[in-house]
Amino acid sequence: AQTVTQSQPEMSVQEAETVTLSCTYDTSESDYYLFWYKQPPSRQMILVIRQEAYKQQNATENRFSVNFQKAAKSFSLKISDSQLGDAAMYFCAYSENYGQNFVFGPGTRLSVLP
Amino acid sequence: SQTIHQWPATLVQPVGSPLSLECTVEGTSNPNLYWYRQAAGRGLQLLFYSVGIGQISSEVPQNLSASRPQDRQFILSSKKLLLSDSGFYLCAFRTKGFYGYTFGSGTRLTVV
Repeated sequence: AQTVTQSQPEMSVQEAETVTLSCTYDTSESDYYLFWYKQPPSRQMILVIRQEAYKQQNATENRFSVNFQKAAKSFSLKISDSQLGDAAMYFCAYSENYGQNFVFGPGTRLSVLP
Repeated sequence: SQTIHQWPATLVQPVGSPLSLECTVEGTSNPNLYWYRQAAGRGLQLLFYSVGIGQISSEVPQNLSASRPQDRQFILSSKKLLLSDSGFYLCAFRTKGFYGYTFGSGTRLTVV
């Protein structure tokens, strides 16, 4: 079965600095999707960024980018120029190409210090 | 645009009472629908998913059930709530184009 691991339960970053959140996963599939979701205190789950496994180019969305290392099964999220509004729980998630559901990691709580 | 509505936002129910949480999707047809539960400070646990009307798959045996009476309606129910049913419940959908899940705003359930 697929698993997703986030080894950092909590992280903190100074406002305007850069932080990287780690995620590793385990799968025997070659075609799949990876996602980062943000859950602020409102608890609304918000899609931050996604990566298709067949694409070698790392996904980027404004201040958010990923470092996708397929061989190492690693999918880290980099947040540049951190803002107070970035404070939230961040979940890494995996899904097979036509899978019925996602597998979520346990989450990393990010604090942004003014 | 595709949207998802989930209600109620907050619910406090006594032990042994019934439960009905509703989720509806707009702007798409034949979506995959999901119910997740999130305990305080924890990750998400998939409870049920549905790929079509009347088709329900259960991931975790428990006190809850789900139904999909219409294409874009997904209902989470219980006949008798337990204290352990307390948590944050999230509904989500995924379209066949598969750009990830879209989540509802969640329901905070407290069983007292």
